[in-house]
Amino acid sequence: GDSVTQMEGPVTLSEEAFLTINCTYTATGYPSLFWYVQYPGEGLQLLLKATKADDKGSNKGFEATYRKETTSFHLEKGSVQVSDSAVYFCALSALTGGFKTIFGAGTRLFVKA
Amino acid sequence: DVKVTQSSRYLVKRTGEKVFLECVQDMDHENMFWYRQDPGLGLRLIYFSYDVKMKEKGDIPEGYSVSREKKERFSLILESASTNQTSMYLCASSPSGGGADSYEQYFGPGTRLTVT
Repeated sequence: GDSVTQMEGPVTLSEEAFLTINCTYTATGYPSLFWYVQYPGEGLQLLLKATKADDKGSNKGFEATYRKETTSFHLEKGSVQVSDSAVYFCALSALTGGFKTIFGAGTRLFVKA
Repeated sequence: DVKVTQSSRYLVKRTGEKVFLECVQDMDHENMFWYRQDPGLGLRLIYFSYDVKMKEKGDIPEGYSVSREKKERFSLILESASTNQTSMYLCASSPSGGGADSYEQYFGPGTRLTVT
């Protein structure tokens, strides 16, 4: 079945460092790909998305490119801030799965001042 | 803005109690979901619903049931709470329509349930 694998955390960075969180997926068909973020004490919220190959999703300085050839959707940010400390979830949804979304296990990011 | 609200942020119940978790969304979404979130396991789908009075089992439905009598409200029921149901419970909704936007989910703040 469909699945999402993302790098284990926690990831600890200093402020202004470059961030990469790796995400790969397995899916039949052509899924839409998402990154969700969960700040402490809150539910998840959509960070960015891409719906077809080579699409780049971006928001709040974060970017991810839908790479069909490597089945990847890595999250990047050029300069992280303390306020980016959160848990990040990679996810996919596909028509073959109805309206269900498959989530990765989540990667916790700590950013130090 | 889409708003998804959950009835409680924190809940403590005893083993064997019947527990109701309520979720309400205000954007007229057709699809609603219940997940549980546990460290290292990500989000696991318990039940979902495509429409009023419709429900589908997710990946871990055992020990849970749901009710959707109105479009905006989706309730999760623990018939007889057990300690292994201690977890964070997240409700979400999404629109229908067939396009890619149908897959974007909007989450409530979560209910942290402790069963003692």
